[in-house]
Formats: sequence, C-alpha cells, structure tokens
Amino acid sequence: DAEITQSPRHKITETGRQVTLACHQTWNHNNMFWYRQDLGHGLRLIHYSYGVQDTNKGEVSDGYSVSRSNTEDLPLTLESAASSQTSVYFCASSSGSSYNEQFFGPGTRLTVL
Amino acid sequence: AQSVTQLDSQVPVFEEAPVELRCNYSSSVSVYLFWYVQYPNQGLQLLLKYLSGSTLVKGINGFEAEFNKSQTSFHLRKPSVHISDTAEYFCAVNNQGGKLIFGQGTELSVKP
Repeated sequence: DAEITQSPRHKITETGRQVTLACHQTWNHNNMFWYRQDLGHGLRLIHYSYGVQDTNKGEVSDGYSVSRSNTEDLPLTLESAASSQTSVYFCASSSGSSYNEQFFGPGTRLTVL
Repeated sequence: AQSVTQLDSQVPVFEEAPVELRCNYSSSVSVYLFWYVQYPNQGLQLLLKYLSGSTLVKGINGFEAEFNKSQTSFHLRKPSVHISDTAEYFCAVNNQGGKLIFGQGTELSVKP
C-alpha cells in the first residue's frame, strides 16, 4: 500500500545545530508540503513543492529550507535550530488537482534545547 | 487572504449526545472545504470534503457537514458520539492553489 513516512519520529537537538527531517511518499504525488503544529495555531505551512526542482515558501518559512530532487522525497532542513522551532512537524502529499485531499505522515516531534 | 476560524477550541460532550463543531471561512472565490481528524500522537486523516454539488456531505465514522455559502460556514455534525471520537478536528480550505489553510483546531472530548 502507498504511504507517507517521516523520520525520525522524535528528535532532540541543541540550539544552533543543523537538523534535517525526512519525508518519503510512495503515492507518486507531485505535491508535497511541510507543516508545523503548535498549540493554538493549528497547522501552519512552512514550505511546499509542486514537483521536482520546484520549491515555494509558506507562511512560516524563516529558518527552514527544502529541496526536491525526486518525486518521492522532500527533506526539511533547519539551518540553525532555535528553541522557537520546537514543534511537531507534519509532511503531506497530494496529487496535482486542488480538490484532492492531502495525505499526512505520522509527524516528527522536534525539541530544541 | 483566506482564513479559517473554528469557533470552539474545546467541546466536551457526553457519550451518545449529538455534537456540532463550527467552522467559518473567508474567501471571495470558490473553495474546496475539508474536515480532518487527528487522534492522539497520529497524523491527520480526512473525514470528509466538499467540492461542489449537494451541500450536505457525508464522511467516515458517521460524521457529516453542511456547506452554507451565504454564511461561509462548513459545520461538522454527528448525531451520537462515541468515546472513540475523542480527537482534535481541523477544518481546512483549499483555494484551488493546492495549499490548505487550516483552522486552529477543535478538541472534542467525549465523556462516559
């Protein structure tokens, strides 16, 4: 069965370190998204991609970057982790049409000390 | 800019009682509307979606939602809830750009 996976599921890091969160989907979807979930804010879009070599900034992109070298993967990098980036991160994917649902991964809980 | 407002952050209800989770959106163009559910320590999964046509949409687990264009609302309902419905529920709008705008979430707590 097709799925979307994230790794690691839990990560503790220190302020200033570079961190990369992995997202891998086997749906063969063109669209991929990264969100962060914080209490009282719902899910906020960090970055998204509509296809290989395409990346776009979302509403809370500062301090984050992504790259899309193939259809299956969209890794999220925190260049220099900050305590404000402690959050739960979700990756999602969808096919090309806007009316199609997004499928979500299980999430990565990141703690920055 | 589009926005989604979930009017209740927490909704406590007793088992077998009916429930309504409220969602309002702002948009001047046609939108697609979604409700997602998140069980503890899990990702989000789709409950139902409105694309066009009938304003009453039925989803999984006995949930339904009604699209009201004049009131820009998309409220979620269930006539009789179970303990297993305890979860967080998110309303979202897609503005045909492929991106979802989420509400802040409503925590449904079903008590025996």
